[in-house]
Amino acid sequence: AAGVIQSPRHLIKEKRETATLKCYPIPRHDTVYWYQQGPGQDPQFLISFYEKMQSDKGSIPDRFSAQQFSDYHSELNMSSLELGDSALYFCASSLGVGGPYEQYFGPGTRLTVT
Amino acid sequence: GQNIDQPTEMTATEGAIVQINCTYQTSGFNGLFWYQQHAGEAPTFLSYNVLDGLEEKGRFSSFLSRSKGYSYLLLKELQMKDSASYLCAVLDSNYQLIWGAGTKLIIKP
Repeated sequence: AAGVIQSPRHLIKEKRETATLKCYPIPRHDTVYWYQQGPGQDPQFLISFYEKMQSDKGSIPDRFSAQQFSDYHSELNMSSLELGDSALYFCASSLGVGGPYEQYFGPGTRLTVT
Repeated sequence: GQNIDQPTEMTATEGAIVQINCTYQTSGFNGLFWYQQHAGEAPTFLSYNVLDGLEEKGRFSSFLSRSKGYSYLLLKELQMKDSASYLCAVLDSNYQLIWGAGTKLIIKP
């Protein structure tokens, strides 16, 4: 079965650079979530989109922005990168929002900022 | 504030049974999820409880008591591959997932 796809899987950037992470949800899933997970920490919710509109916002820094496109894929844009942005970034998708919909997680993008 | 508590780490023996507890205090409740996460990998769904009681799924079972704000994940016939972190997450009144910090389960031969 098709799963959530994230690219790239690994990314190394320098401080103050920008990065773009991409997420392709499971086909027919209309909701995408972005999470940031530091070492030994639980996933921190950043932002979510339903039907291409922002549905919820968590602890996403102002330096980050995201959007969901007409084909439902989503991109997380990160600017002025800081060392503390080094983390695993997970994208998850679900069918529907505002309900107990199971989130299917992608494999994650490991971002290292040097 | 919203709070989910789980033990940080637990150790169990291969073939044994282990129970991982989760207590929560959230603004509203629309269900509780358990996810398994191996190091460096994505969380994978294990179970969802919204009504009180026990849900059994093979070697894994999950229990919920809404009045006590309490859930547990029961793992039977432990295998080495069960070594992972187990995350408890509650869906609050806004249908946002509130995550616990996870319980690292170490399985010894």
